[in-house]
Amino acid sequence: NAGVTQTPKFRVLKTGQSMTLLCAQDMNHEYMYWYRQDPGMGLRLIHYSVGEGTTAKGEVPDGYNVSRLKKQNFLLGLESAAPSQTSVYFCASRRTTTDTQYFGPGTRLTVL
Amino acid sequence: KQEVTQIPAALSVPEGENLVLNCSFTDSAIYNLQWFRQDPGKGLTSLLLIQSSQREQTSGRLNASLDKSSGRSTLYIAASQPGDSATYLCALVLYSGGGADGLTFGKGTHLIIQP
Repeated sequence: NAGVTQTPKFRVLKTGQSMTLLCAQDMNHEYMYWYRQDPGMGLRLIHYSVGEGTTAKGEVPDGYNVSRLKKQNFLLGLESAAPSQTSVYFCASRRTTTDTQYFGPGTRLTVL
Repeated sequence: KQEVTQIPAALSVPEGENLVLNCSFTDSAIYNLQWFRQDPGKGLTSLLLIQSSQREQTSGRLNASLDKSSGRSTLYIAASQPGDSATYLCALVLYSGGGADGLTFGKGTHLIIQP
C-alpha cells in the first residue's frame, strides 16, 4: 500500500512550456485534490474531484487544467507555464465516508 | 472568505516542555478542523481531526480543542521531544452545496524543540 504518490518529484520548465503532474492513490478514495504551497501564502486549493470523470475548481484554478479519467489517478496540467506557477504542488485524497485527507510527498516545480 | 491565522509563526522551546499552538478563523460555520504536521521537504501528515460538533480530540501526547463561537482552536503538545520539531498546520474544511470539499490552511507554526 503506497498511499498517495506523485510524479515527478522535481521539474524545471521554461516559460511557455507545458507539463502534466501525475497523482496516484491506491486506497480506492473517491475524493482527490491538488494544492500548491508558496512561501508566506500557505497551501491553496487548485482543483478537486469528487469521483471518476468529475472535476471542480478550487481557490486558484487559473492556468491549470485537471482530469480524472481513472479513479486512482488525478492529473494536473499546465498548458503554458509561467514563473508565477513556481511552487510545490501537493496531491491529496480521501474517502467519501471520512474527512481525513492523505497527502503525497509533493512535486517541486520551477518555471524559469 | 474564510481566513485562518496561526500564532506564533515560529516557536523554539526546550525539550520536555508542554506547549500550545494557536489557530483562529474568521467564519464559525465550519465543517471540521484538522491539524497536520509537515517535515522539511515532505508532505503533510494528519494529526487530529475535530468535527464541528466536537470540543476536542486526543491522540497520545497531542490534544486539539475547538471553540467555534470564538473562532479558535489550539493544539496542545505535552512533554515535547526533538522529534516533534516540524511545521504544524491548521486547516478548515470548506463546505460547498455538494458536501465537504477542500481545505483552507493557515500558514503554519514552525516548531523547534531544543534537545
